[in-house]
Amino acid sequence: QVQVLQSGAEVKKPGASVKVSCKASGHTFVNYFLHWVRQAPGQAPGQGLEWVGAINPNTGTTRIAQSLQGRLSLTRDASTGTVYMEIFSLTSADTALYSCAVEPSGTYYLHQWGQGALVTVSS
Amino acid sequence: QSALTQPASVSGSPGQSITISCTATSSDVGTFNHVSWYQQHPGQAPKVVIYDVTYRPSGVSDRFSGSKSGYTASLTISGLQADDEADYYCKSYTVAKNYVFGTGTMVTVL
Repeated sequence: QVQVLQSGAEVKKPGASVKVSCKASGHTFVNYFLHWVRQAPGQAPGQGLEWVGAINPNTGTTRIAQSLQGRLSLTRDASTGTVYMEIFSLTSADTALYSCAVEPSGTYYLHQWGQGALVTVSS
Repeated sequence: QSALTQPASVSGSPGQSITISCTATSSDVGTFNHVSWYQQHPGQAPKVVIYDVTYRPSGVSDRFSGSKSGYTASLTISGLQADDEADYYCKSYTVAKNYVFGTGTMVTVL
């Protein structure tokens, strides 16, 4: 059973940065990506899903949404398979539930999702 | 930037069929062959119901089907059931090797 485990909720002030971790376990994928998707709080679908980026825990290959270029860093610890998402210069618009999800390479869809980490940006 | 437009809401009665559209507003989606659909119930993580336009993952009801015409992909739910009431999002791979989600559709079972 594939499980995706994420770090917990964070509260940050505007201008600060936040770092969230994610790890997939219980799988046999040889090559895969861990994606980050965020959803602002409120009633959906007005607060829809936004693709943030993805990283291959083995190779370190990254993909980053154009809207977050320059403010987003995706890194990984290859020895543990843990990946990290760090957003800099936070604003209230970054307040959202950040979910991590697994995509076995070449399947182009998200198979299993984590529980999400709520990041709140407030002064 | 790529964008996928969906209707804000679609409704139907139990047993009926409904179709949700997902239209790409730019050619950034390339061939538009890697379109997936996600169902999200309130407070839960999204769950994939269709991938690569027409394929159903194991365990997903065959009441869910997908299709595509040009730059519009569609999700059809047949034999609508109460549990189908949820938000639905399309997602597409792009030529930049990134992804983009649709605007989302709220499905209501009357």
